[in-house]
Amino acid sequence: QVQLVQSGSELKKPGASVKVSCKASGYTFTNNAMNWARQAPGQGLEWMGWINTNTGNPTYAQGFTGRFVFSLDTSVSTAYLQISSLEAEDTAVYYCARVRYYASGSYSTYYFDYWGQGALVTVSS
Amino acid sequence: SSELTQDPAVSVALGQTVRITCQGDSLRSYYASWYQQKPGQAPLLVIYGKNNRPSGIPDRFSGSSSGNTASLTITGAQAEDEADYYCNSRDSSGNHVVFGGGTKLTVL
Repeated sequence: QVQLVQSGSELKKPGASVKVSCKASGYTFTNNAMNWARQAPGQGLEWMGWINTNTGNPTYAQGFTGRFVFSLDTSVSTAYLQISSLEAEDTAVYYCARVRYYASGSYSTYYFDYWGQGALVTVSS
Repeated sequence: SSELTQDPAVSVALGQTVRITCQGDSLRSYYASWYQQKPGQAPLLVIYGKNNRPSGIPDRFSGSSSGNTASLTITGAQAEDEADYYCNSRDSSGNHVVFGGGTKLTVL
């Protein structure tokens, strides 16, 4: 069965860096892109971007360029999210999710069929 | 700001039917997908594409679309359906993805 298992909670000081991992199992890792989303406390889901697990090419949403880096280690079927120069506003749960593509007629969509359990990153002095 | 707009909160009486909507220009060109999220849990895909339910999702959940509006309908809402619901789709450029702001569903 498909599973995405993320690393545990992190408590970091402002200015530090953090690396969140997302280990996939139950499917061929390079067959699907991996998506990242953020959810600040009490807030909605925010799309951060995704990474093509075949080529390693990342796509970042507006607002997630510069300090946010997606990477892979395909030998262990794991995707990573690294955030540098952490700010208090980065306090959130970070989710990875498998990307799927659906098309019917002239319509299409990307959707996320399996999600990791989330990784809480708390930034506080 | 989100390119997909959802009502912040909706309520439904137990056993009744409720429709949760998602509006955005990109929905004229792309399908929406819907996710259920309960407190402290990761989102769960409930509808994707035209009206497709992943395995294990009850058939009381259905999706539809008209113009710039996508809808998630729960026919015969149950207490366990109380949750936040998010839509997502490709954005107007087609190159990125966007989530709606979410709708908190209360089952009375």
